[in-house]
This record gives sequence, C-alpha cells and structure tokens, in this order.
Amino acid sequence: DTGVSQNPRHKITKRGQNVTFRCDPISEHNRLYWYRQTLGQGPEFLTYFQNEAQLEKSRLLSDRFSAERPKGSFSTLEIQRTEQGDSAMYLCASSGGRDRMTDTQYFGPGTRLTVL
Amino acid sequence: SQQGEEDPQALSIQEGENATMNCSYKTSINNLQWYRQNSGRGLVHLILIRSNEREKHSGRLRVTLDTSKKSSSLLITASRAADTASYFCATLLSGGYNKLIFGAGTRLAVHP
Repeated sequence: DTGVSQNPRHKITKRGQNVTFRCDPISEHNRLYWYRQTLGQGPEFLTYFQNEAQLEKSRLLSDRFSAERPKGSFSTLEIQRTEQGDSAMYLCASSGGRDRMTDTQYFGPGTRLTVL
Repeated sequence: SQQGEEDPQALSIQEGENATMNCSYKTSINNLQWYRQNSGRGLVHLILIRSNEREKHSGRLRVTLDTSKKSSSLLITASRAADTASYFCATLLSGGYNKLIFGAGTRLAVHP
C-alpha cells in the first residue's frame, strides 16, 4: 500500500497525559500537512512541512502541540497535557513529488483521539 | 474560520437520482478540490478544478467553478447507495499558500 498511513488509528487517554501520533506520507511527496477534524465539521489546518522545514503553523496549534519531520520523511504530532477539547480526528496529508497534480493532497485514515 | 460553505448541509435521495452540492467561498483561490469522507474515515480526493477552469468531469462526477460568484458545484449522476458519505469542498488560496480550507460538508444519503 503506497498511500498515507497513520498510527495509531485510535487513542484513548486521560486528561493531562501526553500523546504522540505518527504519519508516514506517500514516499515521493515532499509536503506534509496535519489537520484536525471535530464531529460534524470539516478538517482544520494545523501545520505544514516542506521536506523537514515546518513552514506554517495555525493559531489552533497551541504551545501544547508540537510537530516534527526530522528527516523529511515521516512526521510526528505530539500533544502535551491533553485536554478534553483535544478530542478529535487528527488527519495527515501529503502532496508533491512526481505527481503531476502537485496541489492534490492525499489523506491518511486519521488518528481518532479521545481524552477522558 | 472556514472559508467554504456547502449547501445543503444534508441531502437525501433515491438510488438513480442525481445529487447536486454547492460550495461558496470568500477569497481568491488557486484551485478548489472536492473530497468524500465515509463515516469516521479519512478523506478521499475526488476532483481538483483550477481557478482558470470552468468545468471538469470524472466518471459520474461533474464539477463547475464560477470565480465571479466564488462558487462551485458538484454533481453526482445516477447515484448509488455506495455514494452515501459526506462531501467537502476545500480551497487552496492564491498567493503561495499551501493549506486547504474546508467547508463543513454536505451529508449525502442515497437510499436503495
């Protein structure tokens, strides 16, 4: 399977704990994005990487959130001191590379976070 | 804040009928993309239309774009029960931005 993969698919945690999600983009894609989606809403942009450089961060990304893409391949999104309001689906997408439609973002299946 | 607004919020039709969903946006765009999302799953890219295009087709899908009205429509012809899903429009802003801005989606139910 050469699509975007995300792990874990589901995460249940207690308030105050730290969680980390991983995203593996399509291998030749140089751009990687994180979005957050709450029930009944469309995804909201969180952050964007081109290769290993984090080029844009949303105001939604509070100080408790940090994202990395250390070698320009996979990415991690960490949430520290989780709050109930962090419960959402976290989606990763990638684009670029040899794909002629370089603006097309391909999404992974998402990680559903539940904070108790 | 979300740039796109889909209309209607929910749509219920019978198999074989056509489904039309509309999307309006607020600022200049580079392109507009439509995605489908089955319940609780990731988004599947359907079609991309650039700001200098007016209409695109892909199988049973037809997308139009009217930049003067800042609106787009997605038509699904001869719908099937498997088309039941949420449909989102997403805009890529002009000016070198890379993030997609999504609307709240249209929830389509196709009944056999």
